[in-house]
Amino acid sequence: AIRMTQSPSSFSASTGDRVTITCRASQGISSYLAWYQQKPGKAPKLLIYAASTLQSGVPSRFSGSGSGTDFTLTISCLQSEDFATYYCQQYYSYPQTFGQGTKLEIK
Amino acid sequence: EVQLVQSGAEVKKPGESLKISCKGSGYSFTSYWIGWVRQMPGKGLEWMGIIYPGDSDTRYSPSFQGQVTISADKSISTAYLQWSSLKASDTAMYYCARLGTGYSSSSLDYWGQGTLVTVSS
Repeated sequence: AIRMTQSPSSFSASTGDRVTITCRASQGISSYLAWYQQKPGKAPKLLIYAASTLQSGVPSRFSGSGSGTDFTLTISCLQSEDFATYYCQQYYSYPQTFGQGTKLEIK
Repeated sequence: EVQLVQSGAEVKKPGESLKISCKGSGYSFTSYWIGWVRQMPGKGLEWMGIIYPGDSDTRYSPSFQGQVTISADKSISTAYLQWSSLKASDTAMYYCARLGTGYSSSSLDYWGQGTLVTVSS
């Protein structure tokens, strides 16, 4: 199975900050990479698919980049509602694995 | 509007069987894969497997192969996840989600609200 490793696992930031989360695949996955946001007690929500395509309705402050093995999720100007846990997922091959998650907390 | 509505929370004893459901609406149920994702308490997301309701083609993660059964009844637009003999370690939230295209290599664009399964003696 392809292993997805996110960094950092958690960190603190302030409203208005620009933040970047990294996801690394243990082997090349082309652009078959999605990012999800999960808030406590809620189902995950798709933010980005195909590494850089914003899902309909997702604010433009979210962006994704990368291909092959290294990917990033950037939030350009943190809002209060963005404090959550973020997961990357590869859907290049079975099983379609998730990263361990990055918890973004308020500083 | 695309919706996936899951069955309610379950409390079971070890060794019991269980089948939880996920009903799709607002789209062509037979044209999109449905996936199941496990989230153990305080932990991350784990991809369990997917099914194509159109022909019941199913793919499992090796971690879950033989441990659960994924099925679907296209006549009522419902997918299922079932266990024949639950263990305490099956205690988790289980989500169903739709794959965003008609292909099995796709992200999960719509999610159910989750079904909490608690297994305790």
